[in-house]
Amino acid sequence: DAEITQSPRHKITETGRQVTLACHQTWNHNNMFWYRQDLGHGLRLIHYSYGVQDTNKGEVSDGYSVSRSNTEDLPLTLESAASSQTSVYFCASSEYRTGGLEQYFGPGTRLTVT
Amino acid sequence: GQQVMQIPQYQHVQEGEDFTTYCNSSTTLSNIQWYKQRPGGHPVFLIQLVKSGEVKKQKRLTFQFGEAKKNSSLHITATQTTDVGTYFCAGRETSGSRLTFGEGTQLTVNP
Repeated sequence: DAEITQSPRHKITETGRQVTLACHQTWNHNNMFWYRQDLGHGLRLIHYSYGVQDTNKGEVSDGYSVSRSNTEDLPLTLESAASSQTSVYFCASSEYRTGGLEQYFGPGTRLTVT
Repeated sequence: GQQVMQIPQYQHVQEGEDFTTYCNSSTTLSNIQWYKQRPGGHPVFLIQLVKSGEVKKQKRLTFQFGEAKKNSSLHITATQTTDVGTYFCAGRETSGSRLTFGEGTQLTVNP
């Protein structure tokens, strides 16, 4: 069965370190998204991609970067982790169609920056 | 930019009571989606509404999209403990695939 996976599921890191969160989907979806979830803020879009070599900034992109070298993967990099980036991170994917379709979410990565 | 507001933030009900969450957008939406997230889980797609005034039902859940395509609601009739979780609306403003999520309504059902 097709799925979307994230790794690691839990990560503790120190302020200033570079961290990369992995997202891998086997749906063969063109669209991929990264969100962060914090209490009182719902899901906020960090970066998204509509296909290979395409990346776009979301509403909270500062301090994060992504790259899309193939259809299956969209890794999220925190260039210099800050305590404000402690959060739960969700990756999602969807098939491209005009008007959009449902997004499939991964299980999430809980990141703690100390 | 587009903002999607959702109320209430929390709702506690007794099992068997009804529940409603409301979603309002600052701009006209092309469509709206609803997701459910169980405690400790990830968001799972429930439904998408596209047409002005559209009403869709899934068993005890009724979803509505406003005539102006700027608001939406989710109503659960006779809640059950399995309904516990956070319900999110997510609006799509243009023909792109990105969504703007509301803050969610966390539902607790007391048995």
